[in-house]
Amino acid sequence: EPEVTQTPSHQVTQMGQEVILRCVPISNHLYFYWYRQILGQKVEFLVSFYNNEISEKSEIFDDQFSVERPDGSNFTLKIRSTKLEDSAMYFCASSVARDTEAFFGQGTRLTVV
Amino acid sequence: AQSVTQLDSQVPVFEEAPVELRCNYSSSVSVYLFWYVQYPNQGLQLLLKYLSGSTLVKSINGFEAEFNKSQTSFHLRKPSVHISDTAEYFCAVRRGGKLIFGQGTELSVKP
Repeated sequence: EPEVTQTPSHQVTQMGQEVILRCVPISNHLYFYWYRQILGQKVEFLVSFYNNEISEKSEIFDDQFSVERPDGSNFTLKIRSTKLEDSAMYFCASSVARDTEAFFGQGTRLTVV
Repeated sequence: AQSVTQLDSQVPVFEEAPVELRCNYSSSVSVYLFWYVQYPNQGLQLLLKYLSGSTLVKSINGFEAEFNKSQTSFHLRKPSVHISDTAEYFCAVRRGGKLIFGQGTELSVKP
């Protein structure tokens, strides 16, 4: 069964460092998303991406964040200068269309120290 | 604005007992509702969804949820739970192209 895969599963980084979280969406999906879940809190929407551009982003997704689809398969989330409060589980998701269900990856646990 | 409230953060229950996980939403427009499940150390998996049609939707593993427009609820139920149902359950509403999640309910099934 096709699935969304994320790497790495865990990442520890020092405050101020750049991190790139990687995702391989399901191959025939056209819409891609990043969500995050700070420990003990809700899963929160960060950004959606379609046709090689951001279609929607939340207020969390400030200038420190960027997304990219560098080739035909990967979808990445970059955090330029990490802060302690960026520590969270980051989920990638994809969907065939804007109004169909999203399939989630297993998440990358980011710890900023 | 749309929001989702899951009224119970933790629900402990004994094996083979029935369970209900509550979810209420606020919305002024048509809603599309989802339940996702997160097993320990795994990602979010879609459990069931309501888009239109029958207000009672069912999953393959015995869970069901009923869309109740008048009460703005989408509670998740199972008549008899198993140890393997232990997980965190998230209710979500779709707003445009994104999902708005509730806080999650941790279901703990004890033998």
